[in-house]
Amino acid sequence: TQLLEQSPQFLSIQEGENLTVYCNSSSVFSSLQWYRQEPGEGPVLLVTVVTGGEVKKLKRLTFQFGDARKDSSLHITAAQPGDTGLYLCAGFDNYGQNFVFGPGTRLSVLP
Amino acid sequence: GAGVSQSPRYKVAKRGQDVALRCDPISGHVSLFWYQQALGQGPEFLTYFQNEAQLDKSGLPSDRFFAERPEGSVSTLKIQRTQQEDSAVYLCASSLPWQGLRSDTGELFFGEGSRLTVL
Repeated sequence: TQLLEQSPQFLSIQEGENLTVYCNSSSVFSSLQWYRQEPGEGPVLLVTVVTGGEVKKLKRLTFQFGDARKDSSLHITAAQPGDTGLYLCAGFDNYGQNFVFGPGTRLSVLP
Repeated sequence: GAGVSQSPRYKVAKRGQDVALRCDPISGHVSLFWYQQALGQGPEFLTYFQNEAQLDKSGLPSDRFFAERPEGSVSTLKIQRTQQEDSAVYLCASSLPWQGLRSDTGELFFGEGSRLTVL
């Protein structure tokens, strides 16, 4: 059983469209991170959200942490082909020892 | 370079062979993590070091997997008697002292990974 679930698993859209991907858990997290991974590369940190209800913006990317700190979302406005990649959410497990990742959402933005 | 360096980038092993994967973390990063990533999946936690101390190895899938970081810098992940199910990308990440995630601290810096294929 995954501690962090992500949806959708795959997403293919046209350039210019908007999209939202989700990260959910039955557990409360003190904070969550979002990473993006491109083929043949390691994941790269996009953002850390800490406070319940927090919204952070990074250019066309908007990240939200749920009020109960059990879920997070990533919204991309006017997607571009350069946004293509695997989007991963991550956080500490229940015991605060292991830093775990969700299974990821694989995004493909077609020109 | 200034990033996390992993070697080899690609390794093909025959079933039953032993392999060793190396990770050079960013200088000054005391925390080091190993992850296993199967094709199309997210990284799965294997083990975590703080300096030379292996604080958590609960993610290692079997006793064929062994990791060490004897001088608190370079780390090696060793897999003995490799099996086909060991085929994956092995990612190493380092960070500043891991004090939990607060605000913008706690970023993991990843290497490019070592892709292991067991035939």
